[in-house]
Amino acid sequence: DAMVIQNPRYQVTQFGKPVTLSCSQTLNHNVMYWYQQKSSQAPKLLFHYYDKDFNNEADTPDNFQSRRPNTSFCFLDIRSPGLGDAAMYLCATLAGGRYNEQFFGPGTRLTVL
Amino acid sequence: RKEVEQDPGPFNVPEGATVAFNCTYSNSASQSFFWYRQDCRKEPKLLMSVYSSGNEDGRFTAQLNRASQYISLLIRDSKLSDSATYLCVVNALTGGGNKLTFGTGTQLKVEL
Repeated sequence: DAMVIQNPRYQVTQFGKPVTLSCSQTLNHNVMYWYQQKSSQAPKLLFHYYDKDFNNEADTPDNFQSRRPNTSFCFLDIRSPGLGDAAMYLCATLAGGRYNEQFFGPGTRLTVL
Repeated sequence: RKEVEQDPGPFNVPEGATVAFNCTYSNSASQSFFWYRQDCRKEPKLLMSVYSSGNEDGRFTAQLNRASQYISLLIRDSKLSDSATYLCVVNALTGGGNKLTFGTGTQLKVEL
C-alpha cells in the first residue's frame, strides 16, 4: 500500500503559470519534506515541516511556498515557474528521532514550457 | 567543501565483483547515516542505515568512521539488478528537527 502519495506524477505548466504539487501520507509522521532533484544531482531540500512548524532552507527562492493544512497533507506552490524549475519534486516523511527512515513519495516530474 | 561528498562514478563492474563506495561528511554533529538506492527516474529508497559498529545485510556491508567522518558501502557478488545510483545521506538534528543531507550519489553499472 502506498504510504507517501504524490499527485500528479507528471505536471506540465507554462512559464510563469502558478502550479501546486500535492503530497499525502498515511504514516502519521510528524515531519514532511519537499526536495527538488535535477538530473544527475542530489535531492536538494527546499523546506520541511516539523508538525506545523515551517523550516525554510536559506537558499530556497521565494517563488517556492508550502502549506501543511493537517498532518496528512502538504503542498508545494510554485508561484511563477521558470525554465530552471523543471525538475523532479520529491516529498518525504519521517517519524522523528535519530535513526528513523525517511520515506519518499514517487515524485512529481515538472516540465515548464 | 560540500556537506556530503561522494565519487560520482560511474563504477562499471562485472557481475560477481565486489565494489566499495565511500562518502565523507563535514558536519561533525551528524548523528545518523544512511545509504539510499535510487533507480533512474524513481524516488530514493532506503538500502540500509549505518551504525557505529558497522552492519551487514546480505551482500551489503556498511561501515562508519566517526573520527574520519566517512561512511562506506561494500557490495559483494554484484548482480545486474544492483545497477543504480547509491546516495549517502547524513542526518543532523537541528532546531527545526531532523535535517537529512544527500550526497550527489555514486552510479554503479553491473555488466555481464
